[in-house]
Amino acid sequence: DAGVIQSPRHEVTEMGQEVTLRCKPISGHDYLFWYRQTMMRGLELLIYFNNNVPIDDSGMPEDRFSAKMPNASFSTLKIQPSEPRDSAVYFCASSLRAAFGTQYFGPGTRLTVL
Amino acid sequence: GENVEQHPSTLSVQEGDSAVIKCTYSDSASNYFPWYKQELGKRPQLIIDIRSNVGEKKDQRIAVTLNKTAKHFSLHITETQPEDSAVYFCAAGADRGSTLGRLYFGRGTQLTVWP
Repeated sequence: DAGVIQSPRHEVTEMGQEVTLRCKPISGHDYLFWYRQTMMRGLELLIYFNNNVPIDDSGMPEDRFSAKMPNASFSTLKIQPSEPRDSAVYFCASSLRAAFGTQYFGPGTRLTVL
Repeated sequence: GENVEQHPSTLSVQEGDSAVIKCTYSDSASNYFPWYKQELGKRPQLIIDIRSNVGEKKDQRIAVTLNKTAKHFSLHITETQPEDSAVYFCAAGADRGSTLGRLYFGRGTQLTVWP
């Protein structure tokens, strides 16, 4: 398996622009997680899905952030409008099962908002 | 919700020495404790995990210990090597309840091994 795939790997945009991050989980995994990593706040869980259904979105910073999972092999995280404080590395991860299931991380998307 | 504290935030050791990273958790329902290693510019990767029915687990040079009564668990790395240099994250999760599937991560420990 190719592992978790994320695109783009790097994104540089200007404040106010819409940003869409994409994730393809490992085939057969039924849990998908979106994390944000910064030096100041560490690794934060933004939202996670089970069988394409959002389970907990309490980590989403504000209404500018939204996430969807239209099918088992694709998810998006959208920021509209983007702000400089959104600059971070965004990781997608997937796992096969909830209990004691290893979370496999994608390579991440490094987002820079100017 | 669960709160995971991790110490120290930075750790420097000489090659060949041992390194210990400690974490505490707050939710007694947590029963799964993985450790992730993140090299510079890379993704976090699982290196070892432990379940609450086990007090200690070892895999070559790394070991984890768990004290459920005190709600703390530790990562031990023996005979450290320069390639062990990375950020290490502890995490806690539960196999039931409303947070099923979710992991709560510590803030990470930057380990530097000097040759």
